[in-house]
Amino acid sequence: GQQLNQSPQSMFIQEGEDVSMNCTSSSIFNTWLWYKQDPGEGPVLLIALYKAGELTSNGRLTAQFGITRKDSFLNISASIPSDVGIYFCAGQLRGNQFYFGTGTSLTVIP
Amino acid sequence: EAQVTQNPRYLITVTGKKLTVTCSQNMNHEYMSWYRQDPGLGLRQIYYSMNVEVTDKGDVPEGYKVSRKEKRNFPLILESPSPNQTSLYFCASRLAGRETQYFGPGTRLLVL
Repeated sequence: GQQLNQSPQSMFIQEGEDVSMNCTSSSIFNTWLWYKQDPGEGPVLLIALYKAGELTSNGRLTAQFGITRKDSFLNISASIPSDVGIYFCAGQLRGNQFYFGTGTSLTVIP
Repeated sequence: EAQVTQNPRYLITVTGKKLTVTCSQNMNHEYMSWYRQDPGLGLRQIYYSMNVEVTDKGDVPEGYKVSRKEKRNFPLILESPSPNQTSLYFCASRLAGRETQYFGPGTRLLVL
């Protein structure tokens, strides 16, 4: 299957700090997606990206679709305690085939 | 309320005892999928369905079966569970042409 490498694996940050994480793939994807998973729940979509170079924001979150279509980045500005969770990138190849990254676990220290 | 439901939420079973995890969505979505989530591996797609009676293998289909006899339901069947199928399972659905998947709450399975 497709390999999506997500880094960092975990982050411990102070409240108010900015966060950056990224995802790289050996394959080209048509769509890049970023999800957040809270403990005990399923992932929830944060941002969807549709074309190379696209930069999209959702509140304090900003994500970019890499120019090569093999990578994507997510930034969270001014982190708050409710940002705690696991963040996943995902790539959509075609139809209903989705491939997820290994996740970045974020801990925000008040 | 629009949602994806899964049952059971927790299940402990023994090797070889057939089991079914149900998934139902009330949003009239065409696409449905099953994923398993394992530590360090993220979510991996097991099977997906693009509509009634249309299913296809995902990345890790071995040891699983699915069926889609009705649009709202997409059960996951483990005919002969093995310990390596111990995992957290998620069902998801979405509208055709939309990338937003709605995930269920998850089913935690332990196979002894």
